[in-house]
Amino acid sequence: DIQMTQSPSSLSASVGDRVTITCRASQGIRNDLGWYQQKPGKAPKRLLFDASNLQSGVPSRFSGSGSGTDFTLTISSLQPEDFATYYCLQHNSYPLTFGQGTKVEIK
Amino acid sequence: EVRLVESGGGLVKPGGSLRLSCAASGFTFSSYTMNWVRQAPGKGLEWVSSISSSSAYIYYADSVKGRFTISRDNAKNSLYLQMNSLRAEDTAVYYCARESLGAAQYWGQGNLVTVSS
Repeated sequence: DIQMTQSPSSLSASVGDRVTITCRASQGIRNDLGWYQQKPGKAPKRLLFDASNLQSGVPSRFSGSGSGTDFTLTISSLQPEDFATYYCLQHNSYPLTFGQGTKVEIK
Repeated sequence: EVRLVESGGGLVKPGGSLRLSCAASGFTFSSYTMNWVRQAPGKGLEWVSSISSSSAYIYYADSVKGRFTISRDNAKNSLYLQMNSLRAEDTAVYYCARESLGAAQYWGQGNLVTVSS
């Protein structure tokens, strides 16, 4: 099984800050990775697919990079509506596996 | 508009059974792999099971293998999850999700399953 190690588990940041979240796969997964945002009581929303492709309608301040085992989600200028929990998900092979999540909180 | 609506959740005793349904609309259901994902209270997301468009390929997480059965009825645009031998640790919000360019692009609103005596 492929393990996804996401870090940090939480972070505090201010509006306007640049935020970076990383996911590391226990083995190579090409670019078979998505990033999701989840707000309390809501279903997750996919932000990026194939590691770096922005989902339609998602603001361009979100970006993703990486291939193989190391991946990054970057929010270039944090906005009030971005405070949420973020997850990565690998779909290279079954069982599909999520990262543990990163809670982005207001500083 | 893609719409996924889960139903069938509720309170069940340990060892009991429950069947979740997911009604799909707004797309050609028979063309897509579907997934179940769950989230225990205050915890992260956990993939549960996937079924290919024609039901030819089915996968389960080890935590539910042998107890849960995923199925679909393409004529009814519906996805199901039969859950048997339920345990307290199965308590979670269960989401159905449709794949597109990856495992899960569209999600339902979620359905709470509580396993408790």
